[in-house]
Amino acid sequence: DQQVKQNSPSLSVQEGRISILNCDYTNSMFDYFLWYKKYPAEGPTFLISISSIKDKNEDGRFTVFLNKSAKHLSLHIVPSQPGDSAVYFCAASATTGGFKTIFGAGTRLFVKA
Amino acid sequence: DTGVSQDPRHKITKRGQNVTFRCDPISEHNRLYWYRQTLGQGPEFLTYFQNEAQLEKSRLLSDRFSAERPKGSFSTLEIQRTEQGDSAMYLCASSTQGAGAKNIQYFGAGTRLSVL
Repeated sequence: DQQVKQNSPSLSVQEGRISILNCDYTNSMFDYFLWYKKYPAEGPTFLISISSIKDKNEDGRFTVFLNKSAKHLSLHIVPSQPGDSAVYFCAASATTGGFKTIFGAGTRLFVKA
Repeated sequence: DTGVSQDPRHKITKRGQNVTFRCDPISEHNRLYWYRQTLGQGPEFLTYFQNEAQLEKSRLLSDRFSAERPKGSFSTLEIQRTEQGDSAMYLCASSTQGAGAKNIQYFGAGTRLSVL
């Protein structure tokens, strides 16, 4: 049972344009959502998060949008840079669930110079 | 470097052997997590500790897997009688609990296990 789904295995974007990575979830108990970024041979690193009481959180070039009714969130990167090329994981947790975090399968982003 | 460290980085073993991995979390973090990641998938939750207490263990986790965090600091993950299907990257993460703190986990680089 995949509770967090990232349906696009990969995404290719030109440098300077917007990258939009999508994520869907099924568990309505999730109340905190995170995006992690992973480079080869490294562990995932935290990028940005959003609480279910908000619909948008912005940090520099990165913005996460949450649509609770659709159980959908997205990560926008603008402008995209070649250094953003990595695998991006969407993750979700439920405060009542003991902070166990469920990860999606990831989307590999290629930013072309 | 005060990040999460994992040892060893790579482990090759023969089927049926036991292996043990170690994780040293960020020193002030009281929560510690173990995940398994296979190719093309995201980290899959295995178990987590708050201080020395193991609070949750995945129902998918075989009895051959056991984890400990004896003094609430470092943790070990042991796999007994390894099988080829155990080949994966094993990731450790830690987080802190505090007022208003959210569950942002900091990951180690992982231990890659290959079972021949």
